[in-house]
Amino acid sequence: ETGVTQSPTHLIKTRGQQVTLRCSSQSGHNTVSWYQQALGQGPQFIFQYYREEENGRGNFPPRFSGLQFPNYSSELNVNALELDDSALYLCASSLDLMNTEAFFGQGTRLTVV
Amino acid sequence: QKEVEQDPGPLSVPEGAIVSLNCTYSNSAFQYFMWYRQYSRKGPELLMYTYSSGNKEDGRFTAQVDKSSKYISLFIRDSQPSDSATYLCAMSESKSTFGDGTTLTVKP
Repeated sequence: ETGVTQSPTHLIKTRGQQVTLRCSSQSGHNTVSWYQQALGQGPQFIFQYYREEENGRGNFPPRFSGLQFPNYSSELNVNALELDDSALYLCASSLDLMNTEAFFGQGTRLTVV
Repeated sequence: QKEVEQDPGPLSVPEGAIVSLNCTYSNSAFQYFMWYRQYSRKGPELLMYTYSSGNKEDGRFTAQVDKSSKYISLFIRDSQPSDSATYLCAMSESKSTFGDGTTLTVKP
């Protein structure tokens, strides 16, 4: 078990709604990254936060946004949900920006109907 | 074309076999190379990471990187049923780029 916890574990939303996913980082880790993992695929990088600032973003539209708090916990917000947003959302915390030793949470399974 | 291509599998081997998992990549900027294991309905778990070309060993696992060929491998010796999982390669320059995973089944 890693020290990274995500909530909720499962979520069902309707197309067009908004969702907030939460992540509590491993103690002492100041870097958090969020990933989207569709069924049968590898995780896709959404963005990374370092000391409360966004530090890199993948190929995701602006309706995907995030926050990192002073205690290094983090949120992922998705507006105007689309059916294709259905996926496992993973957060990973690490001590360095290269994510060489990243610890993942168990993920949030989001279903958009 | 994806930046990281992973042998898709699935792979099924008998217990005790040597397993070879492979990825190729196209981005020369990748500096770090990682292997993760992901069990069903769980987040990925880091197995090993390496920086330079060559081999790195950890117990039954050996990671191999060939930067000149842009090719990385993970070898599992004496495979066990508990090794049954999806294995993901990942590479990092500032963000991590993952392969799509190879699902391994080790049969008793």
